[in-house]
Amino acid sequence: QSVLTQPPSVSGAPGQRVTISCTGGGSKIGAGYDVHWYQQLPGTAPKLLIYDNHNRSSGVPDRFSGSKSGTSASLAITGLQAEDEAIYYCQSYVTRLRGWVFGGGTRLTVL
Amino acid sequence: EVQLVESGGGLVQPGGSLRLSCSASGFTFSDYAMFWVRQSPGRGLEYVSGVSSNGGSKYYADSVMGRFTVSRDNFKNMVYLQMLNLRTEDTAVYYCVRLFALYDFWSGRFDCWGQGSLVTVSS
Repeated sequence: QSVLTQPPSVSGAPGQRVTISCTGGGSKIGAGYDVHWYQQLPGTAPKLLIYDNHNRSSGVPDRFSGSKSGTSASLAITGLQAEDEAIYYCQSYVTRLRGWVFGGGTRLTVL
Repeated sequence: EVQLVESGGGLVQPGGSLRLSCSASGFTFSDYAMFWVRQSPGRGLEYVSGVSSNGGSKYYADSVMGRFTVSRDNFKNMVYLQMLNLRTEDTAVYYCVRLFALYDFWSGRFDCWGQGSLVTVSS
């Protein structure tokens, strides 16, 4: 169980909007550290999707956006497409663990 | 093009040892901290270890502290993970990952990933 909590799964129909939350287990997420998001397509290595809370990595469509506020961070995907089916992970640095931590991952299913 | 290529994975018995290697190309290797991140079958991602750009600082997850050693060779553009006293719970795909940190090292992001090397610990 990661200290960064994500819902195990989310789903949406093509064209819809979904959000994936990442909470710091009651603590202010990241506690001053940036949150990043990764996309892992089936059978591939993870890929950086969003960095520094809200910046899109090179080549990432503007359908993907990130935000961070207080005790949580969020990844939003609008205009869902079949190719968005993947597992999404949030990541930050956690001082009390002295390490870089990933959320447990959220599997996105496009219905 | 930035490339990270892992090698050295395989099947090893509990208590055994293995050394992973990662060959980097396409960027100035000595400018970046390098990390190892693993993913157990059907599980999420776990930070394992990291080494600063000049090799002077090393970082380990509690789960591998005292058993794994990270190192790098900036002349050969290589990073290594020496794994001793392996346990069944170390079974995972191990990714070599570059850390990009412009201002704040601890807020750095893992911006480039290798394809991974599978380590299986089983009798």
